[in-house]
Amino acid sequence: GAVVSQHPSWVICKSGTSVKIECRSLDFQATTMFWYRQFPKQSLMLMATSNEGSKATYEQGVEKDKFLINHASLTLSTLTVTSAHPEDSSFYICSARVAGGYGQGGSEQFFGPGTRLTVL
Amino acid sequence: QKEVEQDPGPLSVPEGAIVSLNCTYSNSAFQYFMWYRQYSRKGPELLMYTYSSGNKEDGRFTAQVDKSSKYISLFIRDSQPSDSATYLCAMAPRYSGYSTLTFGKGTMLLVSP
Repeated sequence: GAVVSQHPSWVICKSGTSVKIECRSLDFQATTMFWYRQFPKQSLMLMATSNEGSKATYEQGVEKDKFLINHASLTLSTLTVTSAHPEDSSFYICSARVAGGYGQGGSEQFFGPGTRLTVL
Repeated sequence: QKEVEQDPGPLSVPEGAIVSLNCTYSNSAFQYFMWYRQYSRKGPELLMYTYSSGNKEDGRFTAQVDKSSKYISLFIRDSQPSDSATYLCAMAPRYSGYSTLTFGKGTMLLVSP
């Protein structure tokens, strides 16, 4: 259980275009989903936290108008990179936290497989 | 000083060796500690989590937390080539509902047959 999927797994786009990445919790409901970015040989950096039905909370330094997040349902969150530029090329990973807890911890985040974005 | 420090490696060991992976942290508010395994070009997979100081064992893996020293470790016994991956420590403060994770950079582990 606790499977998170992402689509697409990789995308190449031209500079100036927008790219949408989907994150789905397949076998559980997630009240909270998180979006991370990971550059090569770097740690995962939290970009934003999204709660179902409300606006996302962005981390300091992350442009909310550039990285649009929509958490439309308990199983789907989307990240749209608007007007992408080469410096936005990165590995984008989402995670989901189970509503009401899971196992003993109740706080575990389950990660998707990631989406590799390359902006030409 | 970064909040979480982790040696990036690579750490190369022969099959069957005991592996020790470590992280240090500076934020005393961290109360929730996790270890993730990440294969190349994949998302992280949760291995273990703990809230308290001391040891927690799960199969070949043992997580150790020393809050007084702000030091956590992951031990892997009888390491296998399939354990070759990057291991990320992560931690979160209680005040965030344990949701705001701060990750180390990850240690790349290579287990040779």
